[in-house]
Parts: sequence; C-alpha cells; structure tokens
Amino acid sequence: GAVVSQHPSWVICKSGTSVKIECRSLDFQATTMFWYRQFPKQSLMLMATSNEGSKATYEQGVEKDKFLINHASLTLSTLTVTSAHPEDSSFYICSAAEGLLAEAFFGQGTRLTVV
Amino acid sequence: AQKVTQAQTEISVVEKEDVTLDCVYETRDTTYYLFWYKQPPSGELVFLIRRNSFDEQNEISGRYSWNFQKSTSSFNFTITASQVVDSAVYFCALSEGYGNKLVFGAGTILRVKS
Repeated sequence: GAVVSQHPSWVICKSGTSVKIECRSLDFQATTMFWYRQFPKQSLMLMATSNEGSKATYEQGVEKDKFLINHASLTLSTLTVTSAHPEDSSFYICSAAEGLLAEAFFGQGTRLTVV
Repeated sequence: AQKVTQAQTEISVVEKEDVTLDCVYETRDTTYYLFWYKQPPSGELVFLIRRNSFDEQNEISGRYSWNFQKSTSSFNFTITASQVVDSAVYFCALSEGYGNKLVFGAGTILRVKS
C-alpha cells in the first residue's frame, strides 16, 4: 500500500498554545485527506475532510476555528489545534487518498497531550 | 445513516484458542466497503482487510479469516490459534459508496494470555 507519514508522533504542549500536525503522502498525490480523533479508550471519529486547494469540510460538532486544516499541496495537509486545552488531549490520525474513489491509507497518528 | 456495531467490548482468551470478533453494520447504500484494522498499544492502525459489498466470498489469510454475510449485515473476524502478539484493539469500519471516509465501530479489546 501507499505510504502516509504523520509528524510528530507525539507532542506535549502547554495549555493555550497551538500545535501543528503534518500529514504527508510520500509516494502518491493525495487529493483528499481525512482527519480523525480518538479519545482514550474510545473509537476513531472523523473530524474533517480536506480536498487539495479548497476549504475543509468539518463534521458536526467539530469547531473549525479551533481545528484549522490546510491542504495546500497534493502531498501535505496540516491540522493546527489552536489554543489547546487539556480536553483536546487525544490521538489524532490522518488518512490520505488519491481521489474520492480511491482507497485511503492511514498515517501513524499523533498523540497530543496538553498540560 | 451508517453505523458499525461491535458488541464485544473486551475478549480474553488463552493462547492457541480460536476467537471470533463480531461486527454488524448498517447502511442504505448497495455499494460500500468494510474494513478491519488492528490497533496495538503503540496506536497506529494496522490494515487487515478491505472488502467490497459485491464480494461475499469469505477470505483467509494465514491465521486470520473473515466471514461476510450480507443477509445479516455482518462481517466477522476470526483468529485461529491466537497468540499473545494478537493482543490489541480491533476495529471494524464501513465506508459508503466507493468513498474512503470511514465510520468505525467502538472496537473490541482482545487480550491473549500465555
């Protein structure tokens, strides 16, 4: 399968600061990327869908002003958690696909801890 | 709306036992994909299988096998002769159409004891 790289693998930040997570497709062009969130001992929930060059589509209940998604190139999407708080501590994982009809591949995930 | 139900929250078995993880799904689409992923303690999602709605053939891959039954909307996963390394959380997921946006089940924690 295709390779999707997510960085960083883990990050600890202070409450009130912003954190940026990167999701890169290494060997294919990802026109569509997805961001999921997994709280401890819970399932994965889709946060948003991003298409290269356009605004992200957020799922109900996800604050778009808090979770900024940028998909400026065909190989990179970023998720910025702005003014992070302890309740944002979670596992964030992205997936990338070559198109709407193509299979999506997951990154390794990023464990965010806000202290 | 799509929904994936994994009724078993946690299963404990002794090594070498066979174990089946259940997955029941709901969708209005006639075209969809079903997935199983393994999530070890390190957190990454390990892809196990992707099956489309038109292919009801059961699949076997080593110690793993999958039973897809559209009549009962189930896609169960069996591990034969379980090993300690199989201990993980297993997720069943569904995507509608040919899409790649997944809806996950709650997950089943599998503990294999030696």
